[in-house]
Amino acid sequence: DAKTTQPTSMDCAEGRAANLPCNHSTISGNEYVYWYRQIHSQGPQYIIHGLKNNETNEMASLIITEDRKSSTLILPHATLRDTAVYYCIVRVASIGSARQLTFGSGTQLTVLP
Amino acid sequence: GAVVSQHPSWVICKSGTSVKIECRSLDFQATTMFWYRQFPKQSLMLMATSNEGSKATYEQGVEKDKFLINHASLTLSTLTVTSAHPEDSSFYICSARENTEAFFGQGTRLTVV
Repeated sequence: DAKTTQPTSMDCAEGRAANLPCNHSTISGNEYVYWYRQIHSQGPQYIIHGLKNNETNEMASLIITEDRKSSTLILPHATLRDTAVYYCIVRVASIGSARQLTFGSGTQLTVLP
Repeated sequence: GAVVSQHPSWVICKSGTSVKIECRSLDFQATTMFWYRQFPKQSLMLMATSNEGSKATYEQGVEKDKFLINHASLTLSTLTVTSAHPEDSSFYICSARENTEAFFGQGTRLTVV
């Protein structure tokens, strides 16, 4: 799986958009970008994933650059409950694959009141 | 999304005793489940891959005789920490995959005193 680089920490004002960057310059053509988050003392929670097109769901939007070497997770209106460690993971998304997710250090997002 | 339930959420045990942690996929079948360990202020580290009906695969440095894994059905995997010591105190998290997405349990906080 391709290596990812994320900032260690970020702050965001409550109600504003939180933009979390991720670099994955060695991504392969068949690798997807996944985002998970982990609220303190809980298991990771799936947020979104994409291959090359921008994706949006009820939680967030994922913007992937045209060369796919970086991406940004956008939480459009951050709340205090969005304070968590956000992990960007790049991997092949084959159905039935038994491969595990490899977690890096992630970005600690703190939403400030 | 799919639900993975982990039990107990927290447990305190005496040094030398054994503790069993259960991981269940509630609304899907999981041939493969994963067990992670997370120490304070660190990322998740894969301990082992649990395979239904066969032996688990352990990561390098993880003692298979100390961390017993049983995956007797398509919806249940158990991790037993045998002869627990204070250094085994950690946050243990299980994961199961449905199609291309991985879902995580709530985690189990183990404290060995």
